[in-house]
Amino acid sequence: ETGVTQSPTHLIKTRGQQVTLRCSSQSGHNTVSWYQQALGQGPQFIFQYYREEENGRGNFPPRFSGLQFPNYSSELNVNALELDDSALYLCASSLDYGLAGYEQYFGPGTRLTVT
Amino acid sequence: AQSVSQHNHHVILSEAASLELGCNYSYGGTVNLFWYVQYPGQHLQLLLKYFSGDPLVKGIKGFEAEFIKSKFSFNLRKPSVQWSDTAEYFCAVNGNDMRFGAGTRLTVKP
Repeated sequence: ETGVTQSPTHLIKTRGQQVTLRCSSQSGHNTVSWYQQALGQGPQFIFQYYREEENGRGNFPPRFSGLQFPNYSSELNVNALELDDSALYLCASSLDYGLAGYEQYFGPGTRLTVT
Repeated sequence: AQSVSQHNHHVILSEAASLELGCNYSYGGTVNLFWYVQYPGQHLQLLLKYFSGDPLVKGIKGFEAEFIKSKFSFNLRKPSVQWSDTAEYFCAVNGNDMRFGAGTRLTVKP
Protein backbone atom coordinates (compact mmCIF):
# COMPACT_ATOMS: atom_id res chain seq x y z
CA GLU A 1 0.00 0.00 0.00
CA THR A 2 1.51 3.33 -1.09
CA GLY A 3 1.25 6.17 1.39
CA VAL A 4 0.57 9.83 0.72
CA THR A 5 3.34 11.50 -1.23
CA GLN A 6 3.97 15.19 -1.87
CA SER A 7 6.20 17.12 -4.21
CA PRO A 8 8.37 19.03 -4.15
CA THR A 9 9.95 18.59 -0.73
CA HIS A 10 11.22 22.14 -0.53
CA LEU A 11 10.50 25.24 -2.58
CA ILE A 12 11.73 28.82 -2.51
CA LYS A 13 9.65 31.51 -4.22
CA THR A 14 9.62 35.28 -4.40
CA ARG A 15 6.79 37.45 -3.15
CA GLY A 16 4.14 37.91 -5.85
CA GLN A 17 4.92 34.66 -7.65
CA GLN A 18 2.60 31.69 -8.01
CA VAL A 19 3.25 28.15 -6.77
CA THR A 20 1.76 24.71 -7.37
CA LEU A 21 2.15 21.91 -4.84
CA ARG A 22 1.25 18.30 -5.62
CA CYS A 23 -0.11 15.39 -3.65
CA SER A 24 -0.74 11.75 -4.45
CA SER A 25 -3.35 10.12 -2.22
CA GLN A 26 -2.98 6.83 -0.48
CA SER A 27 -4.23 4.02 -2.68
CA GLY A 28 -8.03 3.79 -2.64
CA HIS A 29 -8.61 7.14 -0.96
CA ASN A 30 -11.02 9.53 -2.67
CA THR A 31 -10.79 12.56 -0.38
CA VAL A 32 -7.89 14.98 -0.05
CA SER A 33 -7.43 17.78 2.47
CA TRP A 34 -4.77 20.47 2.49
CA TYR A 35 -3.32 22.16 5.55
CA GLN A 36 -0.89 24.98 6.22
CA GLN A 37 1.42 24.54 9.21
CA ALA A 38 3.37 27.62 10.26
CA LEU A 39 6.42 27.16 12.46
CA GLY A 40 5.43 26.28 16.01
CA GLN A 41 1.75 25.96 15.15
CA GLY A 42 -0.68 23.18 14.44
CA PRO A 43 -1.93 22.50 10.93
CA GLN A 44 -4.62 24.89 9.68
CA PHE A 45 -7.30 23.54 7.36
CA ILE A 46 -7.23 25.13 3.89
CA PHE A 47 -9.77 23.04 1.95
CA GLN A 48 -10.89 19.55 1.12
CA TYR A 49 -11.71 17.85 -2.19
CA TYR A 50 -13.98 14.86 -2.68
CA ARG A 51 -14.38 13.27 -6.09
CA GLU A 52 -12.89 16.34 -7.82
CA GLU A 53 -15.19 18.86 -6.09
CA GLU A 54 -14.32 21.24 -3.26
CA ASN A 55 -16.11 19.91 -0.20
CA GLY A 56 -15.20 22.43 2.48
CA ARG A 57 -12.93 25.39 3.01
CA GLY A 58 -11.17 27.01 5.91
CA ASN A 59 -10.42 30.68 6.45
CA PHE A 60 -8.07 31.17 3.51
CA PRO A 61 -8.38 33.78 0.74
CA PRO A 62 -9.37 32.85 -2.84
CA ARG A 63 -5.76 33.06 -4.00
CA PHE A 64 -5.47 29.60 -2.41
CA SER A 65 -7.11 27.22 -4.85
CA GLY A 66 -7.02 23.55 -5.59
CA LEU A 67 -7.77 20.74 -7.96
CA GLN A 68 -8.43 17.05 -7.59
CA PHE A 69 -7.94 14.77 -10.56
CA PRO A 70 -9.83 11.58 -11.59
CA ASN A 71 -7.05 9.48 -10.04
CA TYR A 72 -7.65 11.43 -6.79
CA SER A 73 -4.27 13.14 -6.84
CA SER A 74 -4.45 16.81 -6.01
CA GLU A 75 -2.83 20.20 -6.44
CA LEU A 76 -2.71 23.25 -4.24
CA ASN A 77 -2.16 26.53 -6.06
CA VAL A 78 -1.25 29.76 -4.35
CA ASN A 79 -1.22 33.01 -6.33
CA ALA A 80 0.37 36.33 -5.45
CA LEU A 81 2.58 34.81 -2.77
CA GLU A 82 3.08 36.75 0.43
CA LEU A 83 5.84 36.40 3.02
CA ASP A 84 3.32 34.96 5.50
CA ASP A 85 2.65 32.07 3.13
CA SER A 86 5.98 30.59 4.20
CA ALA A 87 5.02 27.36 5.92
CA LEU A 88 4.86 23.58 5.68
CA TYR A 89 1.96 22.53 3.46
CA LEU A 90 0.47 19.17 4.33
CA CYS A 91 -1.76 16.96 2.28
CA ALA A 92 -3.94 14.30 3.91
CA SER A 93 -6.05 11.66 2.23
CA SER A 94 -8.95 9.66 3.54
CA LEU A 95 -11.45 7.10 2.38
CA ASP A 96 -14.67 8.95 2.81
CA TYR A 97 -15.92 12.44 2.17
CA GLY A 98 -17.37 14.81 4.71
CA LEU A 99 -15.75 16.96 7.29
CA ALA A 100 -16.80 14.73 10.17
CA GLY A 101 -15.73 11.33 11.25
CA TYR A 102 -12.92 10.06 9.09
CA GLU A 103 -9.31 9.07 9.50
CA GLN A 104 -6.75 11.06 7.58
CA TYR A 105 -3.33 9.90 6.44
CA PHE A 106 -0.78 12.67 6.11
CA GLY A 107 2.04 13.17 3.66
CA PRO A 108 5.49 14.48 4.60
CA GLY A 109 4.67 18.02 3.48
CA THR A 110 6.19 20.64 1.21
CA ARG A 111 8.26 23.35 2.89
CA LEU A 112 7.56 26.64 1.10
CA THR A 113 9.75 29.66 1.73
CA VAL A 114 8.69 33.02 0.30
CA THR A 115 11.40 35.69 0.14
CA ALA B 1 -16.31 29.67 16.44
CA GLN B 2 -14.65 26.29 16.66
CA SER B 3 -11.26 26.20 18.40
CA VAL B 4 -8.85 23.81 20.09
CA SER B 5 -6.55 24.58 23.00
CA GLN B 6 -3.59 22.56 24.15
CA HIS B 7 -2.46 23.83 27.51
CA ASN B 8 1.11 22.62 27.57
CA HIS B 9 3.59 23.91 25.04
CA HIS B 10 6.52 21.77 26.16
CA VAL B 11 6.51 18.89 28.62
CA ILE B 12 9.68 17.24 29.91
CA LEU B 13 9.44 13.89 31.69
CA SER B 14 11.74 11.12 32.79
CA GLU B 15 11.22 7.60 31.50
CA ALA B 16 8.50 5.67 33.35
CA ALA B 17 6.74 8.86 34.42
CA SER B 18 3.03 9.18 33.73
CA LEU B 19 1.81 11.53 31.05
CA GLU B 20 -1.30 13.61 30.68
CA LEU B 21 -1.64 16.21 27.93
CA GLY B 22 -4.59 18.54 28.06
CA CYS B 23 -6.89 19.36 25.17
CA ASN B 24 -10.02 21.50 25.30
CA TYR B 25 -12.22 22.54 22.45
CA SER B 26 -15.08 24.89 21.82
CA TYR B 27 -17.87 23.82 19.51
CA GLY B 28 -21.58 23.55 20.14
CA GLY B 29 -22.37 20.51 18.02
CA THR B 30 -21.27 16.92 17.64
CA VAL B 31 -17.55 16.48 17.26
CA ASN B 32 -15.08 13.81 16.37
CA LEU B 33 -11.82 13.96 18.29
CA PHE B 34 -8.31 12.92 17.41
CA TRP B 35 -4.79 12.86 18.75
CA TYR B 36 -1.98 12.87 16.23
CA VAL B 37 1.73 12.42 16.87
CA GLN B 38 4.70 13.62 14.87
CA TYR B 39 7.98 11.89 15.67
CA PRO B 40 11.14 13.76 14.69
CA GLY B 41 11.55 13.68 10.92
CA GLN B 42 8.33 11.74 10.35
CA HIS B 43 4.78 12.37 9.11
CA LEU B 44 1.83 13.13 11.31
CA GLN B 45 0.34 9.82 12.46
CA LEU B 46 -2.97 9.06 14.10
CA LEU B 47 -2.62 7.96 17.74
CA LEU B 48 -6.30 7.51 18.52
CA LYS B 49 -9.76 8.82 17.70
CA TYR B 50 -13.16 9.19 19.26
CA PHE B 51 -16.35 9.15 17.18
CA SER B 52 -18.98 7.81 19.56
CA GLY B 53 -19.58 5.23 22.27
CA ASP B 54 -17.18 4.56 25.14
CA PRO B 55 -15.58 7.90 26.00
CA LEU B 56 -12.36 6.17 27.01
CA VAL B 57 -10.51 5.29 23.84
CA LYS B 58 -7.32 3.33 23.48
CA GLY B 59 -4.79 4.00 20.76
CA ILE B 60 -1.46 2.74 19.62
CA LYS B 61 1.67 2.45 21.76
CA GLY B 62 -0.22 2.35 25.07
CA PHE B 63 -1.87 5.76 24.73
CA GLU B 64 -5.44 6.43 25.75
CA ALA B 65 -7.70 9.45 25.89
CA GLU B 66 -10.91 10.29 27.68
CA PHE B 67 -13.67 12.40 26.20
CA ILE B 68 -15.47 14.41 28.88
CA LYS B 69 -18.33 16.12 27.10
CA SER B 70 -19.29 18.36 30.01
CA LYS B 71 -15.76 19.75 30.13
CA PHE B 72 -15.23 19.87 26.35
CA SER B 73 -12.01 17.99 26.98
CA PHE B 74 -10.14 15.12 25.36
CA ASN B 75 -6.97 14.60 27.38
CA LEU B 76 -4.27 12.19 26.30
CA ARG B 77 -2.70 9.83 28.84
CA LYS B 78 -0.02 7.21 29.09
CA PRO B 79 0.85 5.48 32.38
CA SER B 80 4.57 5.11 31.71
CA VAL B 81 6.39 7.01 28.97
CA GLN B 82 9.44 5.81 27.10
CA TRP B 83 12.29 7.73 25.50
CA SER B 84 10.79 6.79 22.11
CA ASP B 85 7.64 8.81 22.94
CA THR B 86 9.61 12.02 22.41
CA ALA B 87 7.57 13.80 19.74
CA GLU B 88 5.08 16.58 19.04
CA TYR B 89 1.47 15.76 19.94
CA PHE B 90 -1.53 17.45 18.32
CA CYS B 91 -5.13 17.35 19.41
CA ALA B 92 -7.66 17.80 16.59
CA VAL B 93 -11.40 18.33 16.55
CA ASN B 94 -13.71 17.76 13.61
CA GLY B 95 -16.93 19.73 13.89
CA ASN B 96 -17.60 22.12 11.02
CA ASP B 97 -14.09 21.45 9.79
CA MET B 98 -10.87 19.95 11.08
CA ARG B 99 -9.13 22.12 13.69
CA PHE B 100 -5.79 21.32 15.27
CA GLY B 101 -4.32 22.60 18.48
CA ALA B 102 -0.94 24.30 18.49
CA GLY B 103 0.75 21.11 19.66
CA THR B 104 2.64 19.95 22.74
CA ARG B 105 6.26 19.00 22.47
CA LEU B 106 7.07 16.04 24.71
CA THR B 107 10.68 15.34 25.66
CA VAL B 108 11.35 12.12 27.55
CA LYS B 109 14.72 11.91 29.27
CA PRO B 110 16.30 8.45 29.36
